[in-house]
Amino acid sequence: DIVMTQSPDSLAVSLGERATINCKSSQSILYRSNNKNYLAWYQQKPGQPPKLLIYWASTRESGVPDRFSGSGSGTDFTLTISSLQAEDVALYYCHQYYTPPFTFGQGTRLEIK
Amino acid sequence: QLQLQESGPGLVKPSETLSLTCTVSGGSISSSSSYWGWIRQSPGKGLEWIGSIYYSGSTFYNPSLKSRVTISVDTSKNQFSLKLSSVTAADTAVYFCARVQAVDTGMLRTPAYFQHWGQGTLVTVSS
Repeated sequence: DIVMTQSPDSLAVSLGERATINCKSSQSILYRSNNKNYLAWYQQKPGQPPKLLIYWASTRESGVPDRFSGSGSGTDFTLTISSLQAEDVALYYCHQYYTPPFTFGQGTRLEIK
Repeated sequence: QLQLQESGPGLVKPSETLSLTCTVSGGSISSSSSYWGWIRQSPGKGLEWIGSIYYSGSTFYNPSLKSRVTISVDTSKNQFSLKLSSVTAADTAVYFCARVQAVDTGMLRTPAYFQHWGQGTLVTVSS
């Protein structure tokens, strides 16, 4: 199985500051034939289902604010929130869909400092 | 707007079979660009993919659950279902259904990211 490891487990950032969450896969999730990284990012708030933010490592889902961005390739990926807003307090998960079993990171809790 | 709604018993006895249905509205379950999936989240824990199904009936299952899982689709009702047999307390979780984007990788059409989610339903395994 591909293991997805996020860092840090929790993060406190001041409003308006940048937040960075890392995700590392235990093997490359870059499919060379189409040059796509099979990685997505989700945001989950208490009592709600996860919400898709980013797919193909860097493509923002429709309606997601542009302060959210994804980057990285191969085994190392980053979710960046450029200017933290109060409504961004949530759990964030990365997810690989390169090969089954499709797996998620353990989650990163983002809070306001 | 696509909506998904899980339904089924909230309490299941140990050793019995957990059965859930996901009803899709605002779109067709026979969409060629969609898989349909089940994901669970144990209390206070992370997300675990259970399996995904295409409208044709083609399935992908998590090997860790494969011996106990059956996912089926009913295109006439725009629903898909999950059965998990021989449940234990470890199967207590919130179960989500989701619309999964399909992607062509090589010669295969496979599940990709989870684009739309149901609200989830808590299933407790207890006698």
